[in-house]
Amino acid sequence: QVQLVQSGAEVKKPGASVKVSCKASGYTFTTYYIHWVRQAPGQGLEWMGIINPSDGGTDYAQEFQGRVTMTRDTSTGTVYMELSSLRSEDTAMYYCARGVPAAILSYFQYWGQGTLVTVSS
Amino acid sequence: EIVLTQSPGTLSLSPGERATLSCRASQSVSSNYLAWYQQKPGQAPRLLIFGASSRATGIPDRFSGSGSGTDFTLTISRLEPEDFAVYYCQQYGSSPLFGQGTKLEIK
Repeated sequence: QVQLVQSGAEVKKPGASVKVSCKASGYTFTTYYIHWVRQAPGQGLEWMGIINPSDGGTDYAQEFQGRVTMTRDTSTGTVYMELSSLRSEDTAMYYCARGVPAAILSYFQYWGQGTLVTVSS
Repeated sequence: EIVLTQSPGTLSLSPGERATLSCRASQSVSSNYLAWYQQKPGQAPRLLIFGASSRATGIPDRFSGSGSGTDFTLTISRLEPEDFAVYYCQQYGSSPLFGQGTKLEIK
């Protein structure tokens, strides 16, 4: 069965960086784009960007341009999302989600369990 | 840039009643690429509907989606206790974007 398993919770200081992992299993890793979505406490869902696991190509939401980097490791079937220059407003649950085959524009059928990132001095 | 506006913000109903949730886009959603999700506290969102009206795998048929262009609706025909949650619409005709959500609460 399709599974996306994310790394554990993180606590970071303002100005630091965080790197969250998302390990995929149960399907061909390179066939489906992976998206990242975040949710601040008590708030709605915010799309951050996408990575193509096949060639590593990325597309980031304008709000995160210059601060976010998405990468992948095809040998382990894992994608990574790194967010730098953290501020308190980045405190949120971060989700990876799988789209449809070979399509940038997609809905999300499978989601990771989420990784809570807390930014606090 | 498209803006998705969901209404109402909160909907108070009783089990067995019919729920109608609205999602309005500021411009036409390309190819009716509109999805609906259910989210319960402490859980990741769950896909209910894609392509405006297609039910995702395993979703009960009391959930239905309709609409086109700029106006979309999620209908839950007869509410079960487990349906009380927050519901989000999402457009994917351009860069993915979510509505702000509708909280469906027990009356």
